[in-house]
Amino acid sequence: QQQVKQSPQSLIVQKGGISIINCAYENTAFDYFPWYQQFPGKGPALLIAIRPDVSEKKEGRFTISFNKSAKQFSLHIMDSQPGDSATYFCAATHSNQFYFGTGTSLTVIP
Amino acid sequence: KAGVTQTPRYLIKTRGQQVTLSCSPISGHRSVSWYQQTPGQGLQFLFEYFSETQRNKGNFPGRFSGRQFSNSRSEMNVSTLELGDSALYLCASSLSPGQPPYNEQFFGPGTRLTVL
Repeated sequence: QQQVKQSPQSLIVQKGGISIINCAYENTAFDYFPWYQQFPGKGPALLIAIRPDVSEKKEGRFTISFNKSAKQFSLHIMDSQPGDSATYFCAATHSNQFYFGTGTSLTVIP
Repeated sequence: KAGVTQTPRYLIKTRGQQVTLSCSPISGHRSVSWYQQTPGQGLQFLFEYFSETQRNKGNFPGRFSGRQFSNSRSEMNVSTLELGDSALYLCASSLSPGQPPYNEQFFGPGTRLTVL
């Protein structure tokens, strides 16, 4: 059973556009929601994270929007660049156990 | 500061064999977690070690086992390999299993296991 559901599976965006990746969860015990970025041949790297008492967190071009009542959160990449082309994973954690989404392969076309 | 290192990076085995993968965490990190990554399944949690003790275990058969040494280095072992065990095995280290940011996970590059 997938504890965190992620969509879309793949995404193609023009350079300068906005990339949006969505995640949903059921377990209200989750208390931390990180996003990871993974390039081919590398392990995932933490991109940005949010706690459930905050509705939005922005770091540069990356923003997490969090909707606690809907149990959904999303990653927005503004002004997407070809260098952002990677696989993105959302995750949710509690009791130090991490549950990951299935990943979104993002391609930014120049 | 050196990152998480995993050895070997690539491994080819045949069905029925067993394999041992190694992970060296970031210096000062005492918690190590292992994940299996396959296309379409994302990252599946295998187990977590802290202070040489397994704290959490994912839903994997007993063929998958691990251990942690006093220097926080960790190994995972898969016995009686099956074709379905082909995957990227990722190790992640964190300072401790506490609240964020102490439990923030830093991933190694993974070991690509192919079972023929």
